[in-house]
Amino acid sequence: QVQLQESGLGLVKPSETLSLTCSVSGDSISYYGWSWIRQPPGKGLEWIGDMFYIGETDYSPSLRSRVTISTDTSKNHVSLKLNSVTSADTAVYYCARFTSDPLPAFDIWGQGTKVTVSS
Amino acid sequence: EIVLTQSPATLSLSPGERATLSCRASQSVSSGYLAWYQQKPGQAPRLLIYNTSNRATDIPERFSGGGSGTDFTLTISRLEPEDFAVYYCQHFGGSPPVTFGQGTRLEIK
Repeated sequence: QVQLQESGLGLVKPSETLSLTCSVSGDSISYYGWSWIRQPPGKGLEWIGDMFYIGETDYSPSLRSRVTISTDTSKNHVSLKLNSVTSADTAVYYCARFTSDPLPAFDIWGQGTKVTVSS
Repeated sequence: EIVLTQSPATLSLSPGERATLSCRASQSVSSGYLAWYQQKPGQAPRLLIYNTSNRATDIPERFSGGGSGTDFTLTISRLEPEDFAVYYCQHFGGSPPVTFGQGTRLEIK
């Protein structure tokens, strides 16, 4: 059974870098794509970006200048870095598995981790 | 940019009733790339439907999806108490490559 667990600091100061890790158990991250999606308090879902199993990344145009998604296959981790954060980046951050077999979907999600941007 | 607009924003129904949720795209999209998710309070979203009409693993038959072009629907044939939640439609493709609707809250009447 594949499980995803997000972790990282829950409080980040404005202008600093948000760093989160998604630990994947039950399967190798090499076989799938991995996404980060966030949800501000009381609001809907916002896609941040993807890391595909072939090593390509794709990011939301609104966040592209500040975000980096990477993988560590030795640790079976997917990481998110978002720099120059502001209060608008306060949200629950989810990692999700992207599958395209047979057709695209985010089929497995982590429980999410809450990040607050505040001094 | 593809924009997904869900309606209604809130739907109030009773257990046992039929629920029909709408997702309208700002331009025609491929039905193969349209999915639906359910989110309960304090929980992560859960995949319900992919490819417009295919139920994900372990999703009950009372959930069904349909549509094409710009208009898509999620139907819950007979509401169970555990179905009251927020539902999101989502599309892959275009720019940005992933888009979510703003959600429909299904609440108990």
